[in-house]
Amino acid sequence: QVQLQESGPGLVKPSQTLSLTCTVSGGSISSGDYHWNWIRQHPGKGLEWIGYIYYSGSTYYNPSLKSRITISVDTSKNQFSLKLSSVTAADTAVYYCARDQGYGLGWFDPWGQGTLVTVSS
Amino acid sequence: EIVMTQSPATLSVSPGERATLSCRASQSVRSNLAWYQQKPGQAPRLLIYGASSRATDIPARFSGSGSGTEFTLTISSLQSEDFAVYYCQQYNNWRTFGQGTKVEIK
Repeated sequence: QVQLQESGPGLVKPSQTLSLTCTVSGGSISSGDYHWNWIRQHPGKGLEWIGYIYYSGSTYYNPSLKSRITISVDTSKNQFSLKLSSVTAADTAVYYCARDQGYGLGWFDPWGQGTLVTVSS
Repeated sequence: EIVMTQSPATLSVSPGERATLSCRASQSVRSNLAWYQQKPGQAPRLLIYGASSRATDIPARFSGSGSGTEFTLTISSLQSEDFAVYYCQQYNNWRTFGQGTKVEIK
């Protein structure tokens, strides 16, 4: 079955850009009508959807984060990536990648295990 | 943005008892609602989608109901492994989550 795995630096300095990659295994990122999502969870808090990308490169972002987000896809590596610019301590969170089922079917399954990113100097 | 409000924030239940969790949307999301279970240190796990359809391998003691703005997740007889935090999520208009309900042992 499809599995997702996040990777990237666990520590980012304020004002810098957070960069994470999600590697998809057990299936092709280019197959089906799936959307590939980033979701974050602040420590001890709830979940916040960041945005998603379709394998063609079409993206949709959370309006509250849109000015700082870039999500991209590399189909040759079966990966998609997140860049979040101008980070502050408020961006400290566990970042998850997850697949949703495509248009109109926006539940998340499966999820990656998550990676903690701390913003600190 | 559609705001999802879950209640109660914490639910204290004895093993074997029934648990009823609520989720309210600030505007109609039709049946475009999912429920997740999250245990400490783990990613959320999909339980329910389409408001009432159980995901693969989810036990029958989990059931979802509702449409529009009012939704319910029911766990018919709590098992030890069910004590966790539960989130609802709408996907009718972008995606937003509720703040979670923690189900704890009474």
